[in-house]
Amino acid sequence: GAGVSQSPRYKVAKRGQDVALRCDPISGHVSLFWYQQALGQGPEFLTYFQNEAQLDKSGLPSDRFFAERPEGSVSTLKIQRTQQEDSAVYLCASSFLGSGSEGEKLFFGSGTQLSVL
Amino acid sequence: GDSVTQMEGPVTLSEEAFLTINCTYTATGYPSLFWYVQYPGEGLQLLLKATKADDKGSNKGFEATYRKETTSFHLEKGSVQVSDSAVYFCALINQAGTALIFGKGTTLSVSS
Repeated sequence: GAGVSQSPRYKVAKRGQDVALRCDPISGHVSLFWYQQALGQGPEFLTYFQNEAQLDKSGLPSDRFFAERPEGSVSTLKIQRTQQEDSAVYLCASSFLGSGSEGEKLFFGSGTQLSVL
Repeated sequence: GDSVTQMEGPVTLSEEAFLTINCTYTATGYPSLFWYVQYPGEGLQLLLKATKADDKGSNKGFEATYRKETTSFHLEKGSVQVSDSAVYFCALINQAGTALIFGKGTTLSVSS
């Protein structure tokens, strides 16, 4: 497809379960970002990849959160031992250029809504 | 740290009314500023941006001017349409240039 694709669209997990969220960026896009959007809030930055390199993971809230992009295209966000406070929409975005800097246009996916019971 | 503050919503307007959504920011230096929009059921989309002081971003009849004196980037439209109903997010780029920092969003509802 032409846009950023995320799967699954919805995920329900029991507290303590591990989950994996997938992001397929636009083909050829160098930069990939993950954001977390809690209900009624704006998206909050989690992590940033340039190709396969994770250049910024300062937004990951705990060591239960892990992201990878091994071949520089598809990315997976993994959350271990999920907690109720992890319930949110997880957004993936990609851009063509090699940084997230000014002037760049980000393309966002529709997100994965995670509900932890 | 850097942050963005938006006016609380929801904003409810009649078609053809004038729209202002206030946005102020706190940042080191003069970061690029953005407005993103999220239509129902869709992903976030860039609406407009401004990269330096006094720049005016515009798109689809929306405008916002980068005011460093008041650290503001208010979104305006002269005549809203029902199709403008969406959630609007003000954002800036962080110092490292690696991430956008978003406001909480303002929901706009336009009725005919």
